[in-house]
Amino acid sequence: GDKVKQSPSALSLQEGTNSALRCNFSIAATTVQWFLQNPRGSLMNLFYLVPGTKENGRLKSAFDSKESYSTLHIRDAQLEDSGTYFCAAEARQGGRALIFGTGTTVSVSP
Amino acid sequence: NAGVIQTPRHKVTGKGQEATLWCEPISGHSAVFWYRQTIVQGLEFLTYFRNQAPIDDSGMPKERFSAQMPNQSHSTLKIQSTQPQDSAVYLCASSPDWGGYEQYFGPGTRLTVL
Repeated sequence: GDKVKQSPSALSLQEGTNSALRCNFSIAATTVQWFLQNPRGSLMNLFYLVPGTKENGRLKSAFDSKESYSTLHIRDAQLEDSGTYFCAAEARQGGRALIFGTGTTVSVSP
Repeated sequence: NAGVIQTPRHKVTGKGQEATLWCEPISGHSAVFWYRQTIVQGLEFLTYFRNQAPIDDSGMPKERFSAQMPNQSHSTLKIQSTQPQDSAVYLCASSPDWGGYEQYFGPGTRLTVL
């Protein structure tokens, strides 16, 4: 089954708008990472979270281990925010292996 | 800091041939991971090393796949007798040390088996 469920699978945004992506975990996640995969396929690190919240520019992310979810908020979307966003979790019983969600493809238009 | 380096970036092999993929982790990182990305399966973990020792290979196919880390500056993933279903992007990642540290990914090697 899906240990990391990511939603939505696709998102179309207009420049300047806000949106949120979400990951729900059916595993006991200990840490969460968020990545943006660019058109060339490279995974760029956005956030590394133990339970809590972090903010970086127009991006903000939260991880609640008790409720088993994580969110990524995009504020004032820009064209360069387009790409596929992945969340990935380390599980308490899984050692260091990252378990990835299926990704959210974000398309920002003018 | 050059980041994680993977070579080659693209590799095309014929069915039944061997493919060796190389990864150079970020200097000073003692944990090295291999993942595979396909359209159907998404991103999936294969194996990882800590201080060059194999720690977890639970994601590795039992046949034809092997990984090594002969020194702290590189790791290899070898696929013997490649099959079309092995076609994927193989990603290497490294992290500073034990649990609780962020993983950084290389650009990947796109393997195509004809």
